[in-house]
Amino acid sequence: GENVEQHPSTLSVQEGDSAVIKCTYSDSASNYFPWYKQELGKGPQLIIDIRSNVGEKKDQRIAVTLNKTAKHFSLHITETQPEDSAVYFCAASDDSSASKIIFGSGTRLSIRP
Amino acid sequence: KAGVTQTPRYLIKTRGQQVTLSCSPISGHRSVSWYQQTPGQGLQFLFEYFSETQRNKGNFPGRFSGRQFSNSRSEMNVSTLELGDSALYLCASSGSLDNLGEKLFFGSGTQLSVL
Repeated sequence: GENVEQHPSTLSVQEGDSAVIKCTYSDSASNYFPWYKQELGKGPQLIIDIRSNVGEKKDQRIAVTLNKTAKHFSLHITETQPEDSAVYFCAASDDSSASKIIFGSGTRLSIRP
Repeated sequence: KAGVTQTPRYLIKTRGQQVTLSCSPISGHRSVSWYQQTPGQGLQFLFEYFSETQRNKGNFPGRFSGRQFSNSRSEMNVSTLELGDSALYLCASSGSLDNLGEKLFFGSGTQLSVL
């Protein structure tokens, strides 16, 4: 089955700097890669997603890149702000069913003022 | 549009008891999935219901069960609680006419503590 590895587990960056979180997946059939942000006391919220037929996707300060050959994808956050502090999860899926989504172990991002 | 609503927000139970958690999905969503979140194991899939039928099941013992009603609301039940069942239980809904089925919308979860 699919396995998703996420690095680093914790990340601290200066406000205004960029943050990068990396994930690798094992199943070459995976074709959907969402990223979720979980703030304290809340459930994960979808922030951006990408499909395997696209190499990069950007939404304001957030971008995701996908390398299908290497089976890895990354989340890039530019001009970080205090409200970016949260736990971020990557995920991968090879099916249209929500239940087939496999999550990474999460990255706790802290933004230093 | 109202989000996913989970009740109760917090629960404290003792070993051996049973518990029922409730989830109301986003209006129009027909799929409800349940996840267990713990610091050590991360997000683990429990089961998914679609149109009142269990569509998929994760690798959890039979003490964990669920159901979905005709209005898409879902409940999950855990019987004979164990200390290791202490976790945040998250419900996610998906699937509407203007969304692809994979996009999960999570509730805030029910924090279960087993003493």
